[in-house]
Amino acid sequence: QKEVEQNSGPLSVPEGAIASLNCTYSDRGSQSFFWYRQYSGKSPELIMFIYSNGDKEDGRFTAQLNKASQYVSLLIRDSQPSDSATYLCAGFTNTGFQKLVFGTGTRLLVSP
Amino acid sequence: DAGVIQSPRHEVTEMGQEVTLRCKPISGHDYLFWYRQTMMRGLELLIYFNNNVPIDDSGMPEDRFSAKMPNASFSTLKIQPSEPRDSAVYFCASSLMGGRGMPGETQYFGPGTRLLVL
Repeated sequence: QKEVEQNSGPLSVPEGAIASLNCTYSDRGSQSFFWYRQYSGKSPELIMFIYSNGDKEDGRFTAQLNKASQYVSLLIRDSQPSDSATYLCAGFTNTGFQKLVFGTGTRLLVSP
Repeated sequence: DAGVIQSPRHEVTEMGQEVTLRCKPISGHDYLFWYRQTMMRGLELLIYFNNNVPIDDSGMPEDRFSAKMPNASFSTLKIQPSEPRDSAVYFCASSLMGGRGMPGETQYFGPGTRLLVL
């Protein structure tokens, strides 16, 4: 079992809809979580990070963390075709050496 | 700031050859990370350095891989001898100590080196 799990998708949503991306993790010691966006052929870029249970909003993006359920999600409101990319969830593990552990990513397709 | 710089951007080589990938982190960043990305395994951490010292190399696949950071502005990842299964995109990333005292929380990635071993 990978430490961070994501559905590979693709997740297809129409323009203007809400896209919901989900991630589960196995390391209960993980304290912080990150969402990176990666366009095809490009490098990952950080969108949001979250430390505390609950919701964190930044513009059209909302990250949600539920430590009891070991579940992280990213909501994208008013999805745009330019949001079409692969979204990588990462957890910061405190087991052994502290480091980011990435999921394999969910591909999002937003159709006009 | 120019961001993380990697070279070469593309590398095609034959099995058995030595490959050297290069990285210049963002100035002032004290952590440097080497990742490998494939379709099957996603983004995997190979090794990371703090203040030029290797901290965790548990992700280095085997002895054919080695990494060095001779100074704060330069790192290399070497594969010798290369094999077709090494074909992947190799990313270098750098960061500062995180605000909560955790290393490498917000990492900035370079453009990557696309390696193809024939």
